[in-house]
Amino acid sequence: ETGVTQSPTHLIKTRGQQVTLRCSSQSGHNTVSWYQQALGQGPQFIFQYYREEENGRGNFPPRFSGLQFPNYSSELNVNALELDDSALYLCASSSWTRAETQYFGPGTRLLVL
Amino acid sequence: DQQVKQNSPSLSVQEGRISILNCDYTNSMFDYFLWYKKYPAEGPTFLISISSIKDKNEDGRFTVFLNKSAKHLSLHIVPSQPGDSAVYFCAGAERSGNTPLVFGKGTRLSVIA
Repeated sequence: ETGVTQSPTHLIKTRGQQVTLRCSSQSGHNTVSWYQQALGQGPQFIFQYYREEENGRGNFPPRFSGLQFPNYSSELNVNALELDDSALYLCASSSWTRAETQYFGPGTRLLVL
Repeated sequence: DQQVKQNSPSLSVQEGRISILNCDYTNSMFDYFLWYKKYPAEGPTFLISISSIKDKNEDGRFTVFLNKSAKHLSLHIVPSQPGDSAVYFCAGAERSGNTPLVFGKGTRLSVIA
């Protein structure tokens, strides 16, 4: 059984650019959630995907968008990057019937200069 | 508005002794709580959870206690081992289909040999 994987592990972008982060869910899981963890903070919920549709969103602007694919993998897209977007981006997968227990990937560390 | 609070940023404990990590919450709708452990450069690892219908859940060296009237939970690690040194996050959730986890800021535990 494979766990949650994310790519890339690290990324450096400049302000105004766009970025795409990728996540493969744990086998048997059909729900993917994305979180942003700033330095010294706990993870903050961005949004969740189930059946290829957004199913719940946290307090993040529309320039944060996502996709889920038929194989349950997911992408997080961030447009018009700002310096404050520098953070660790975590993907978590779960089964819909036990969505409260989420398993996290290693994260993508994004630095915006 | 912090719904989940971990008021101790750090904790140091000697190897073999008990570690007690505390967490308070304000959202009365939370009915499920989880603890995650995070090592540097890794994603959070699920440790233990508890439903609001219980007041205690045990798994090996880890026990979580829930006091609903005080909106307080704690994680006990007995005996503490140097490998337990990590940041511990408490999270609360409402047990529904689109359940985002709401995290505290974490407590850094150092177990000294």
